[in-house]
Amino acid sequence: ETGVTQSPTHLIKTRGQQVTLRCSSQSGHNTVSWYQQALGQGPQFIFQYYREEENGRGNFPPRFSGLQFPNYSSELNVNALELDDSALYLCASSLGVEAFFGQGTRLTVV
Amino acid sequence: LAKTTQPISMDSYEGQEVNITCSHNNIATNDYITWYQQFPSQGPRFIIQGYKTKVTNEVASLFIPADRKSSTLSLPRVSLSDTAVYYCLVGDPLLSGGYNKLIFGAGTRLAVHP
Repeated sequence: ETGVTQSPTHLIKTRGQQVTLRCSSQSGHNTVSWYQQALGQGPQFIFQYYREEENGRGNFPPRFSGLQFPNYSSELNVNALELDDSALYLCASSLGVEAFFGQGTRLTVV
Repeated sequence: LAKTTQPISMDSYEGQEVNITCSHNNIATNDYITWYQQFPSQGPRFIIQGYKTKVTNEVASLFIPADRKSSTLSLPRVSLSDTAVYYCLVGDPLLSGGYNKLIFGAGTRLAVHP
């Protein structure tokens, strides 16, 4: 158990729809990052939030957006879903050396 | 960010020592080397981190030669539960904004057999 919880665990959406994924970070961790992991590949960095501000972004289009709340929990929003958005979405929180990952949300776009 | 190269897969047997080598020829002065482990349908889990020479914890050892162009993760006496994907990451935590902007490669799939 890492103390990082994500919801929902699984989700099926239709192409063109919008989705919101949620992450509750480990207590006291003020940095949250989101990653996308396609089948058979390593996680790809989407963006990071530090104290409610975006603090870096990977090579993802603007339809991937996020929020961090005062309690450091976070949301990942994806608009206009595409079939290639099907993946495991991971949230990780950190305060120091280690990044603690949640179990992920498995998103399937049909 | 320094690119890393690892073997795609490795096989071992229970009780053996496993060494996974990672090549990072373009490692920068301020870069640290970090290894993560990932089981299917779970998030990666931090194993060990080092800068130079040798680091050991309760799970693994990390060997880094003087030129730091490679590193070796050593898992002593593996068991079936060590079957997972192992990722080698290289980066400067201060430059990249912390330890949570991680750049993963494809990793090494370790299969431990009875």
